[in-house]
Amino acid sequence: GQNIDQPTEMTATEGAIVQINCTYQTSGFNGLFWYQQHAGEAPTFLSYNVLDGLEEKGRFSSFLSRSKGYSYLLLKELQMKDSASYLCAVRGGLYSGNTPLVFGKGTRLSVIA
Amino acid sequence: DVKVTQSSRYLVKRTGEKVFLECVQDMDHENMFWYRQDPGLGLRLIYFSYDVKMKEKGDIPEGYSVSREKKERFSLILESASTNQTSMYLCASSFGGQGPNQPQHFGDGTRLSIL
Repeated sequence: GQNIDQPTEMTATEGAIVQINCTYQTSGFNGLFWYQQHAGEAPTFLSYNVLDGLEEKGRFSSFLSRSKGYSYLLLKELQMKDSASYLCAVRGGLYSGNTPLVFGKGTRLSVIA
Repeated sequence: DVKVTQSSRYLVKRTGEKVFLECVQDMDHENMFWYRQDPGLGLRLIYFSYDVKMKEKGDIPEGYSVSREKKERFSLILESASTNQTSMYLCASSFGGQGPNQPQHFGDGTRLSIL
């Protein structure tokens, strides 16, 4: 079976740093993706990890540990516009770009002043 | 930029009707997907297609069918709509082949209400 867990809700202060965790158990592993989804809008792609370690993209970074089945998304210098849901998704199965992503239920982040 | 276009943002239909949701992508992507998104349940895969006329069941295919007659277009069909199919429907597309790092790109979604 496949299972992806992430916290349901988090609150953080503008200007601060927040870490959103994701743990996964999947049949095979072929990459982990993070998406951002504002209320009423489509999910948009943020980052991708397939090897262990940290990938940095401006204010956003994503970390992966394959042995632990664990990832986190780190958001620095939080802004009000970062209030959104953050979705963790895993591509399992065989080595193939055709395998659909399996999504966690998302973490709703509220940034407060 | 990748563009995935869903035909309607909001749709209201009646129980028992046959409902068509259309999705078009302009990036020559091989793969296309239909998800539904419900509060507390997240995104769940209904069907996907990795080539024209090919389709694969996802996690919750019951009550749905799909059609992919052209590479750029993927249609979701509710054969006989029921109230438990009221949901947000999201279409996505991606490149296929042996590239595992290809993200899925989503359309804006169709909020479907079945009365």
